[in-house]
Amino acid sequence: GNSVTQMEGPVTLSEEAFLTINCTYTATGYPSLFWYVQYPGEGLQLLLKATKADDKGSNKGFEATYRKETTSFHLEKGSVQVSDSAVYFCALSLDSNYQLIWGAGTKLIIKP
Amino acid sequence: GAGVSQSPRYKVAKRGQDVALRCDPISGHVSLFWYQQALGQGPEFLTYFQNEAQLDKSGLPSDRFFAERPEGSVSTLKIQRTQQEDSAVYLCASRQNSNQPQHFGDGTRLSIL
Repeated sequence: GNSVTQMEGPVTLSEEAFLTINCTYTATGYPSLFWYVQYPGEGLQLLLKATKADDKGSNKGFEATYRKETTSFHLEKGSVQVSDSAVYFCALSLDSNYQLIWGAGTKLIIKP
Repeated sequence: GAGVSQSPRYKVAKRGQDVALRCDPISGHVSLFWYQQALGQGPEFLTYFQNEAQLDKSGLPSDRFFAERPEGSVSTLKIQRTQQEDSAVYLCASRQNSNQPQHFGDGTRLSIL
């Protein structure tokens, strides 16, 4: 079946540290891949996406590259800020299936 | 521009009561989705509408759950005879077309006592 696996949280970093949140997927066909972010008390917001292999999605200093050979879509940021503290969700969508299939989410805590 | 709006933000009900959750999608968005998010988990798909047609309801956990979108805009998720396991955040998302991402509302946090 189709699934998404994310690294477990919480991930705790100091401000200005380098961030990586791992995401791997299993899918039939060629999925589109997404990272969504959920700030405390708010809804899910699309952070970035990639629709085909080797595409790089980027937004707000975050980036992720669609790696078909490793079935991965790891989220990275070079220098995190306290305001990046949130829960990050990796998700996939198949052309033939409009559903988003989600990982369990990774809570990120940035300490000043 | 207005995003996806859900109401109420919080709902507390006693076990056995019926509840209705409302979603106002972004104007012009054809597709509408409902998800259920348990605490500490990712969202789980419930149902999908394209305009007023409910094309997929395979994720609805039981026949106590019912969703409608009669005019292809506002949608209501109804849960009858609520149970404690129904406690979760219910998320609504809309999408302009299949090439666009889903946009989410802030959700309704449902607590069943």
